Amino acid sequence: DVKVTQSSRYLVKRTGEKVFLECVQDMDHENMFWYRQDPGLGLRLIYFSYDVKMKEKGDIPEGYSVSREKKERFSLILESASTNQTSMYLCASSYEGTEYSNQPQHFGDGTRLSIL
Amino acid sequence: GENVEQHPSTLSVQEGDSAVIKCTYSDSASNYFPWYKQELGKGPQLIIDIRSNVGEKKDQRIAVTLNKTAKHFSLHITETQPEDSAVYFCAAGDSWGKLQFGAGTQVVVTP
Repeated sequence: DVKVTQSSRYLVKRTGEKVFLECVQDMDHENMFWYRQDPGLGLRLIYFSYDVKMKEKGDIPEGYSVSREKKERFSLILESASTNQTSMYLCASSYEGTEYSNQPQHFGDGTRLSIL
Repeated sequence: GENVEQHPSTLSVQEGDSAVIKCTYSDSASNYFPWYKQELGKGPQLIIDIRSNVGEKKDQRIAVTLNKTAKHFSLHITETQPEDSAVYFCAAGDSWGKLQFGAGTQVVVTP
């Protein structure tokens, strides 16, 4: 079974702090993704990575950065946390897709982040 | 970019009845349409997916249909049970792995 592990289930931080959310997958997946989930908005893609040291912006990258130094680990960084970044953050991973073969994404259980 | 709309936002059904959730997408380049189920306190779990070269796929009580011309796809759950209560998300994506999600449907199955 695929295992995507997010380091914290709940996290409380203060505005202006630098926040790190960690995600590790154990299936040697090439692709990794960070989403935030808000009621009524579904899952919105923040950043994704197709390979080590590679990153691409998603739909809402402002205020976030990412790091992928090792294949199994993908970190989301809030450079200076703000209250509007209070949300559920979900990490996902998948194998590399091809034109004829899509690969499903597997999700972690999320980190509920509160910025006070 | 891709835009996915999902309806309804909430759905209440009696145990044993069927549930249908509908999604539309905008990007004709999308060729992969997964459905996820999210239970309370858990991350989304893939329940079924369909690729654009297939019109229908079934897995026990769950089925998905795709109409590429109209750009819409649907999830059908038959003989609903209380354990089907959850939030369901549709998504549309390309071959390279990026997905756009709908806003979600809260399904409540009452005994």
